[in-house]
Amino acid sequence: EDQVTQSPEALRLQEGESSSLNCSYTVSGLRGLFWYRQDPGKGPEFLFTLYSAGEEKEKERLKATLTKKESFLHITAPKPEDSATYLCAVQAGGGGSNYKLTFGKGTLLTVNP
Amino acid sequence: NAGVTQTPKFRVLKTGQSMTLLCAQDMNHEYMYWYRQDPGMGLRLIHYSVGEGTTAKGEVPDGYNVSRLKKQNFLLGLESAAPSQTSVYFCASSPGTLRTQYFGPGTRLLVL
Repeated sequence: EDQVTQSPEALRLQEGESSSLNCSYTVSGLRGLFWYRQDPGKGPEFLFTLYSAGEEKEKERLKATLTKKESFLHITAPKPEDSATYLCAVQAGGGGSNYKLTFGKGTLLTVNP
Repeated sequence: NAGVTQTPKFRVLKTGQSMTLLCAQDMNHEYMYWYRQDPGMGLRLIHYSVGEGTTAKGEVPDGYNVSRLKKQNFLLGLESAAPSQTSVYFCASSPGTLRTQYFGPGTRLLVL
């Protein structure tokens, strides 16, 4: 069974204090790893897709990386508006799994001014 | 271009009542999905559709039914609501498998 574990569950940073969120996964044949941002009371908003180990993607203060066992979301010099829950999801290959995203429970990030 | 929209935003039901949640997308996506999100559980797939007229079961399908009569709409039905179905329901769509899923704003459902 596909599993996704995100850590830490919650992270509190000061504005400008860089850090990383972790997403470790166990799947049979990773087809894609997705990062989403979710604000309170809203739907998940797509950030990145990573397909193979060694791949990296950046968007403003965020950088996502992927290894064979985990993904990191690096946040450089965060601002209060980066406060949100960050969700990681994996898609595995084969049969019905082609359509299914398995989500982690998320990391709640709070950035204090 | 509204993306994915969901109706209603919030609903309170009594145990045993029925209701239908509507999801609409204007991106011409083939695939549509219904998830539920519960505290401490993460998002879980209820049902999905790979095209007009098709539906399939996801991870937690019991107590729900779905229909995809039109490509742009995906309906989620609760025939006899139970308190365990209190949750936030999200609809998503994607242009194909292994492609990004885009989510709607959610429907908050409370079953008393």
